Amino acid sequence: EVQVVESGGGLVQPGGSLRLSCAASGFTLRGYSMNWVRQAPGKGLEWVSYISTSSSAIYYADSVKGRFTISRDNAKNSLYLQMNSLRDDDTAVYYCARAIWDSSGYYSDYWGQGTLVTVSS
Amino acid sequence: EIVMTQSPATLSVSPGERATLSCRASQSVSRNLAWYQQKPGQAPRLLIYGASTRATGIPARFSGSGSGTEFTLTISSLQSEDFAVYYCQQYNNWPPGLPFGPGTKVDI
Repeated sequence: EVQVVESGGGLVQPGGSLRLSCAASGFTLRGYSMNWVRQAPGKGLEWVSYISTSSSAIYYADSVKGRFTISRDNAKNSLYLQMNSLRDDDTAVYYCARAIWDSSGYYSDYWGQGTLVTVSS
Repeated sequence: EIVMTQSPATLSVSPGERATLSCRASQSVSRNLAWYQQKPGQAPRLLIYGASTRATGIPARFSGSGSGTEFTLTISSLQSEDFAVYYCQQYNNWPPGLPFGPGTKVDI
């Protein structure tokens, strides 16, 4: 069974840092690109970042560019999101999702249950 | 930047009725559009990709149509488990982003 499980969320002060992890099982991570998507409380979905299978292609939403860093360790079947200079508006549930290529871009077929990041003093 | 809009924001229907949800892109995305379902406290679930292809395990009462800038998700006969928020997402203009629509809440 394909599963992705996020961890590492919590309460952090504005300006602080946090590192999220995503553990994949039921499939070989090295064969798939991955996305991080977030959802602020009571709001919609916002794509955050993408990483290709070999980490050769990485993209970020403008809202997190320069502050967040996506990475992966295929040997550990794991995906990461390093979040620095956190702001109040980064408060959200962060989802790890497997990316599937289709024609021109990627949709996400399997999603984790998410990990909550709360930025507050 | 492509902007996705969805209508209506909320759709009130009764079990057994048909529900029609709309998604519009600010410019053509061909058929590179996905639909997701999200229930309270749960992760999003892929329903449709390529505008009209059902994902694995998705019941036949869910169907997608459209191309270019106008798309529709139809639930032919609403079941109690279908009351949720539905999001569309375009993936035609990649990179740099994968924007979602604001969602349509389907409630009783």
